[in-house]
Amino acid sequence: DAGVIQSPRHEVTEMGQEVTLRCKPISGHDYLFWYRQTMMRGLELLIYFNNNVPIDDSGMPEDRFSAKMPNASFSTLKIQPSEPRDSAVYFCASTRAGGEYEQYFGPGTRLTVT
Amino acid sequence: AQSVTQLGSHVSVSEGALVLLRCNYSSSVPPYLFWYVQYPNQGLQLLLKYTSAATLVKGINGFEAEFKKSETSFHLTKPSAHMSDAAEYFCAVSEQLYGDDKIIFGKGTRLHILP
Repeated sequence: DAGVIQSPRHEVTEMGQEVTLRCKPISGHDYLFWYRQTMMRGLELLIYFNNNVPIDDSGMPEDRFSAKMPNASFSTLKIQPSEPRDSAVYFCASTRAGGEYEQYFGPGTRLTVT
Repeated sequence: AQSVTQLGSHVSVSEGALVLLRCNYSSSVPPYLFWYVQYPNQGLQLLLKYTSAATLVKGINGFEAEFKKSETSFHLTKPSAHMSDAAEYFCAVSEQLYGDDKIIFGKGTRLHILP
């Protein structure tokens, strides 16, 4: 398996622009997680899905952030409008229900908002 | 609710010396425990996991961890550090509540290897 795939790997955008991050989980995995990592706050869980349904979005910072999972093989995290404080590395991870809960992480998207 | 505390945000050891990274957890039910490693500019990679079988767990790259219920600890060790071990290490805990497969990560410990 190719593992969790994220795109783009790097994104540089100007404040106010819309940013869309993409994730393809491992085939057969039922859960998908979006995390944000910064030096100041460490690794934060933003939202996670089970069978394409959002289960917990309490970690989403504010209404500027939204996430969707239209099917089992694709998810997006959108920031509109983006702000410099959104600069971070965003990770997607997936896991299989009924397994031993270990999550498999993608390589991340490094977002820089100027 | 479960939580994880990693003692020391930075740890430095000499090449060839013992590596010890500390992790304490809080959980209301028997937990599943994990150590992940993150190399620069990469995602997190599973090192090892405890899932209520043997209390001494062996992982990749010569690392191991011991689950001690009485101490609520899951410290990570490696007998002899190598330069390639320089990375950030995350301890994590999971307890399946209501069928949710969420895990909680500690804040991470950056391991520096001194030549």
